[in-house]
Amino acid sequence: DAKTTQPTSMDCAEGRAANLPCNHSTISGNEYVYWYRQIHSQGPQYIIHGLKNNETNEMASLIITEDRKSSTLILPHATLRDTAVYYCIVRAVYGNKLVFGAGTILRVKS
Amino acid sequence: EAGVVQSPRYKIIEKKQPVAFWCNPISGHNTLYWYLQNLGQGPELLIRYENEEAVDDSQLPKDRFSAERLKGVDSTLKIQPAELGDSAVYLCASSLAPTSGGPQSSYNEQFFGPGTRLTVL
Repeated sequence: DAKTTQPTSMDCAEGRAANLPCNHSTISGNEYVYWYRQIHSQGPQYIIHGLKNNETNEMASLIITEDRKSSTLILPHATLRDTAVYYCIVRAVYGNKLVFGAGTILRVKS
Repeated sequence: EAGVVQSPRYKIIEKKQPVAFWCNPISGHNTLYWYLQNLGQGPELLIRYENEEAVDDSQLPKDRFSAERLKGVDSTLKIQPAELGDSAVYLCASSLAPTSGGPQSSYNEQFFGPGTRLTVL
């Protein structure tokens, strides 16, 4: 599975959009981009995933560049409860193995 | 619907003692995972079960760690004897089995429990 690079930490004002970047320059054609988050003292929680098209669900939007070498997770209206570690993971289509990096600590501030 | 249940939530033991963690996956999920999470790092897979079969245990330190999933439902992870470096959070996750054979995503979301925080003194 391809490696990902994320900033160590980010701050965001409450009510504003949080844009979390992820670089995955070695991603191959059969690999998806997944995002999980982990709130303090909880297990990771699935957010969204995509292959090459932009995706949106009730939690977030995922924007993948045309060359697929990077992506951005967007939380449209961040709340204090969105403070968490956000993991960007690249995974092959088949199999269910997730390889987590250190992730990005997002701090939403009032 | 109940999520993944783990117990205990916290455990403090002295080094060289044995310890066991228990996990009850979401009903109907035949795939079960144990992860280790050190402070400030992401989770690392220890072992993955498909029903009662361990299909990926390559990262499990087999000299002191063992796991079982009798009857393909609940699972237990054991450390014997524990060392200071084993202090970490042990996470259990479950999912439906992955499927393969087509161009569409075969991903089945992994649902994580809250973890057991182990402190070895």
